[in-house]
Amino acid sequence: NAGVTQTPKFRILKIGQSMTLQCTQDMNHNYMYWYRQDPGMGLKLIYYSVGAGITDKGEVPNGYNVSRSTTEDFPLRLELAAPSQTSVYFCASTVSPGQGDTGELFFGEGSRLTVL
Amino acid sequence: AQKITQTQPGMFVQEKEAVTLDCTYDTSDPSYGLFWYKQPSSGEMIFLIYQGSYDQQNATEGRYSLNFQKARKSANLVISASQLGDSAMYFCAMREGQGAQKLVFGQGTRLTINP
Repeated sequence: NAGVTQTPKFRILKIGQSMTLQCTQDMNHNYMYWYRQDPGMGLKLIYYSVGAGITDKGEVPNGYNVSRSTTEDFPLRLELAAPSQTSVYFCASTVSPGQGDTGELFFGEGSRLTVL
Repeated sequence: AQKITQTQPGMFVQEKEAVTLDCTYDTSDPSYGLFWYKQPSSGEMIFLIYQGSYDQQNATEGRYSLNFQKARKSANLVISASQLGDSAMYFCAMREGQGAQKLVFGQGTRLTINP
């Protein structure tokens, strides 16, 4: 079982460059999320999606964009990268409410991004 | 106000001892869920245990149990018979309501198990 797959695992960007972090899941989960984790800190929600074609902002959306054209994929776009976006990014997914589960999030392995 | 507070930045425990990691939460929603995740040095997030706000009994999963005190708004994680492999960051998280299933995380506690 692949679960949640993120690519790339590591990336170094120069200030002002753009890139897309890819996330795909094979569990047929409707709900997907992007979090960032700064050193020594907890995770903060950037964007989330409750289904294909539906996205919404989380706690720290500035400087990012997302799209959700399919159930499986939820890419995160960084436009005009800044040093403040140096972080580890986690993609996660879960089932819809009422599907009889705890709603635990299943996480990818993370993508470490450095902006210099 | 912080929704999830973990007041212990670091904990050091001898192997085979029990350890309690503290977590307090703040919500006015009667329906919520509380989660604990483990993050080893390799970086992945591992789900440990879940407690629903309407659950009558404290959750248990193997060596992990959740000491849920609703009136005090606390959800402490108890690890019995600690092992060297338990050394990691531990995060408490909360989901409010049944909508978008968003989790809010605390800042974490770094647990170190000494041999």
